[in-house]
Amino acid sequence: SQQGEEDPQALSIQEGENATMNCSYKTSINNLQWYRQNSGRGLVHLILIRSNEREKHSGRLRVTLDTSKKSSSLLITASRAADTASYFCATAWSYGKLTFGQGTILTVHP
Amino acid sequence: DADVTQTPRNRITKTGKRIMLECSQTKGHDRMYWYRQDPGLGLRLIYYSFDVKDINKGEISDGYSVSRQAQAKFSLSLESAIPNQTALYFCATSVGTSGRPGETQYFGPGTRLLVL
Repeated sequence: SQQGEEDPQALSIQEGENATMNCSYKTSINNLQWYRQNSGRGLVHLILIRSNEREKHSGRLRVTLDTSKKSSSLLITASRAADTASYFCATAWSYGKLTFGQGTILTVHP
Repeated sequence: DADVTQTPRNRITKTGKRIMLECSQTKGHDRMYWYRQDPGLGLRLIYYSFDVKDINKGEISDGYSVSRQAQAKFSLSLESAIPNQTALYFCATSVGTSGRPGETQYFGPGTRLLVL
């Protein structure tokens, strides 16, 4: 299966701290994406990193991709209570399709 | 994303009933997808459509069927609902014109389905 595996499954931090989530996958990919889901709602795209990129930034988000290790990480700096959500990585390996990991539940305490 | 709408938002049905979940989009995207999400799991692809005449099975299509009535509409049917189809169902769209695999997808708010 191409499905990504995320680590940790749950993360609890205090406001102002950084949050790091990791994603590993099994086969070659075209790109890797991170999505956010607030409780029971639809997923929202956060950032896309292509296989020939190593790092990408968007506001307080930093994503890295190591294709040799088949892994990616999402760093949220200076976390806020509003960042509380589930975060999913999704790998793009076949035309038009994404395969999602099981997600990391992030809780940021005020 | 308000550009992708799903109806109904919640549905309770009984085993053996046929139900339809509907998805509409105003984004003008060619590609549409149906996923299901179970507690503690990621999303699994049920069906996808790259244009009105192109329908493809995903990884868990058994027990489901779809219809792409127009570029903007993609419906998912459960022909004879069973309890293990209880889940949160999402519709998503993507542009389809970039020619690149794995484009960004835009999700609807979801339909919560309970099969008794």
